[in-house]
Amino acid sequence: NAGVTQTPKFQVLKTGQSMTLQCAQDMNHNSMYWYRQDPGMGLRLIYYSASEGTTDKGEVPNGYNVSRLNKREFSLRLESAAPSQTSVYFCASSDTAVISNQPQHFGDGTRLSIL
Amino acid sequence: QKEVEQNSGPLSVPEGAIASLNCTYSDRGSQSFFWYRQYSGKSPELIMFIYSNGDKEDGRFTAQLNKASQYVSLLIRDSQPSDSATYLCAVNKGGGFKTIFGAGTRLFVKA
Repeated sequence: NAGVTQTPKFQVLKTGQSMTLQCAQDMNHNSMYWYRQDPGMGLRLIYYSASEGTTDKGEVPNGYNVSRLNKREFSLRLESAAPSQTSVYFCASSDTAVISNQPQHFGDGTRLSIL
Repeated sequence: QKEVEQNSGPLSVPEGAIASLNCTYSDRGSQSFFWYRQYSGKSPELIMFIYSNGDKEDGRFTAQLNKASQYVSLLIRDSQPSDSATYLCAVNKGGGFKTIFGAGTRLFVKA
């Protein structure tokens, strides 16, 4: 039982390059989330998808795009990477079929460095 | 003012003692409160969640919520060195899908 799977685990990019971070969950959860975590700042929500077919901005959406490909998969794209986007990125999912404020299950993270 | 505030620590307690972790939040409309544990280099994992005022116990962990004071805490009884981690407080705003995380408190349990 994999839970939430993120790929890749590590990536180094040059400024201006593009990249897509992949996330898939096998728990049949409705909602999926992308966070970034920087030292001393906790987790900040980038985008979320309350259900298949919907996406919404979080706290720090600038410079990112997302796609909810199907119920299982939610990808995060950096169109033109900037050094300020160097961070650890976490994907999460939660079961919100009944109520929205459910605990989240996290993937192992993607450590992204932009040079 | 941050929406969810935690003392960054480190909080150091001896093995076997009670560790008390605190969190305050600014939005009175918040309805759900979560504590996650994060080991260095790992992803957050859920420890407890609490929706109603009062205490909720699960094994060695007790979550306490006081909505009037906008305060939520986590008590860890009989602390073990394996409890050494960063503890993240998270608050769901108004029952929607956005959860705001605090910056975390680092706990160190000395053997």
